[in-house]
Amino acid sequence: DAEITQSPRHKITETGRQVTLACHQTWNHNNMFWYRQDLGHGLRLIHYSYGVQDTNKGEVSDGYSVSRSNTEDLPLTLESAASSQTSVYFCASSESRGHGYTFGSGTRLTVV
Amino acid sequence: GENVEQHPSTLSVQEGDSAVIKCTYSDSASNYFPWYKQELGKRPQLIIDIRSNVGEKKDQRIAVTLNKTAKHFSLHITETQPEDSAVYFCAASNRYGGATNKLIFGTGTLLAVQP
Repeated sequence: DAEITQSPRHKITETGRQVTLACHQTWNHNNMFWYRQDLGHGLRLIHYSYGVQDTNKGEVSDGYSVSRSNTEDLPLTLESAASSQTSVYFCASSESRGHGYTFGSGTRLTVV
Repeated sequence: GENVEQHPSTLSVQEGDSAVIKCTYSDSASNYFPWYKQELGKRPQLIIDIRSNVGEKKDQRIAVTLNKTAKHFSLHITETQPEDSAVYFCAASNRYGGATNKLIFGTGTLLAVQP
């Protein structure tokens, strides 16, 4: 069955370190998205991609980057982790004319 | 850009009562409005959506209404059950031609259904 998987499920890292969160989908969806979820803020869009080699900034992109070298993967990189980036991160994908997202199971990141 | 506001942030109802969650959006070009349910520790899951050419949509105990003029939409859950307890998110997007598909979410509503 097609799926969208995130790894790792949990990560603890130190301030200043570079961290990469993986997102892999086998739906063959063109569109992929990264959100962070924080209490009181809901789901906020970090970066998104509408296809290979396409990337776009979302509402809260500072300190994050993504790359899209193939259809299946959209890794999220925190260039220099900060305590403010402690959060739960969700990846999602959809068809180009999609009917809503399919979310991954999330990555809980703690920056100490 | 689009901004979505959601109210209330928490909602407690007795089992069997109805629950209503309201959202407003700012971008008049938005034409797709999904609702997601997120149980504790789980991923958000789509429960119902509505497009701007429709004013109301129902699926068993769940219904969504849309008022394009006022730019607001609502989720209605009837005959609530304890398993309806979760966080609910509304969202808005402009889907014309598939060129813009990103969803902007509201801040969520924690619904607690008391047995």
